[in-house]
Amino acid sequence: NAGVTQTPKFQVLKTGQSMTLQCAQDMNHNSMYWYRQDPGMGLRLIYYSASEGTTDKGEVPNGYNVSRLNKREFSLRLESAAPSQTSVYFCASSAFTSASYEQYFGPGTRLTVT
Amino acid sequence: RKEVEQDPGPFNVPEGATVAFNCTYSNSASQSFFWYRQDCRKEPKLLMSVYSSGNEDGRFTAQLNRASQYISLLIRDSKLSDSATYLCVVRSSNTGKLIFGQGTTLQVKP
Repeated sequence: NAGVTQTPKFQVLKTGQSMTLQCAQDMNHNSMYWYRQDPGMGLRLIYYSASEGTTDKGEVPNGYNVSRLNKREFSLRLESAAPSQTSVYFCASSAFTSASYEQYFGPGTRLTVT
Repeated sequence: RKEVEQDPGPFNVPEGATVAFNCTYSNSASQSFFWYRQDCRKEPKLLMSVYSSGNEDGRFTAQLNRASQYISLLIRDSKLSDSATYLCVVRSSNTGKLIFGQGTTLQVKP
C-alpha cells in the first residue's frame, strides 16, 4: 500500500498564479484533511472532508478551495497565490471511528510563492 | 492563548539520558490525546496515544493529567534515532478535529 500520496513534492509560483495540489489515499478512509505547516505555528487545518461528498472549512481556509473528487482523492486549489501561502502543505486521511482517530499523512508539498 | 502549547526547545541531551516533554491544553472537555513524531522535512507519524491511566511503549511513557490539563512524554535511554520533533495532539470534543501543538524539538547527541 502506498498510503497517502501527494503531488507535486515541490513547487515555486509567482504571485497571482494558480495551482492544484493533489492527494490520494488507498486505505479506504472516509475522512481527509489539508494542513499547512509554518515555523512556530504547528500544523493548521485548512479544509477537511469528513466523508465523500462533503467538505468543510478548517482554521485557515481563506485563499483556498478543495474538491473531494471521490473517496480516494482530495485536492487543494490556490486560485491566486500570495507570498503568505508559502508553506509546507500536508494531506492526511483517517478512518475516523471511535476505535481510531489516527491520521496518516502524505509526504508534503513544499510551496514557495515569490 | 493557543489551544495546545508546547515548549519548542530544542532539548539537547546525551545518548542514554532520560528526557521529558510537557504539553498543556486549554479545553477541559478534550477527550483524546496523542503524541506524534516528525522527523526533519518529513511528515508527522503517530508515536502513541495517551490514555487516562498512562501508558508505556518500550522506552516511551505517556501520562495524562486531566485536572491540570497537561500531557507528558518521557523518553528513557535516549538514542540518536530519537532526534526529531514531538507533536502534542488533542482531539477537540467540540469539533472532533485534531489540534496540533507546534512541537518540541529533541536532539540526542553522542
